[in-house]
Amino acid sequence: NAGVTQTPKFQVLKTGQSMTLQCAQDMNHNSMYWYRQDPGMGLRLIYYSASEGTTDKGEVPNGYNVSRLNKREFSLRLESAAPSQTSVYFCASRQGETEAFFGQGTRLTVV
Amino acid sequence: GENVEQHPSTLSVQEGDSAVIKCTYSDSASNYFPWYKQELGKRPQLIIDIRSNVGEKKDQRIAVTLNKTAKHFSLHITETQPEDSAVYFCAASRSYNTDKLIFGTGTRLQVFP
Repeated sequence: NAGVTQTPKFQVLKTGQSMTLQCAQDMNHNSMYWYRQDPGMGLRLIYYSASEGTTDKGEVPNGYNVSRLNKREFSLRLESAAPSQTSVYFCASRQGETEAFFGQGTRLTVV
Repeated sequence: GENVEQHPSTLSVQEGDSAVIKCTYSDSASNYFPWYKQELGKRPQLIIDIRSNVGEKKDQRIAVTLNKTAKHFSLHITETQPEDSAVYFCAASRSYNTDKLIFGTGTRLQVFP
């Protein structure tokens, strides 16, 4: 089993460009999450999806959109990237009140 | 909204000493409290978790305690080893109505030989 797979692993964008981060899990989990990790700020929740067909805002949703394409896939879109969105992005999934499994992360730099 | 505070932000201990990391949460409906360890350049991984119907849980050198009245929980690592050096995150969630999982800001633990 691959677990949670994120693509790409690294990305450099120019200010104003758009991109989509992809996430897929093969564990049949209902819940999926997108976090960003910045030094000293921990893991901040951007958006989450408690089940297929539903999405909800987290702590820092501004500047992002998400799509729960199906049970396996949960994508994060930056419509117009800003330098403040430079971060490491993690996707995670879990089934109910259990362990969350994380992807390997995407290091995004916006110049 | 929900919030999880974590202290300290950095912690340095001598090998063999104990380390304690503390977290408080704001949402009284939270009922699941996991702890994650993140080594440099890697993804966070679960090391231990506790549910609201339990006050303490142990797994070898690590233990977690929960005080629901005070809304705080702690991670205890005994007999620390250099390989315990990492960033540790606490988190909180509730399983009804929403499945939001909120993390604390992390504690960088350094264990010196």
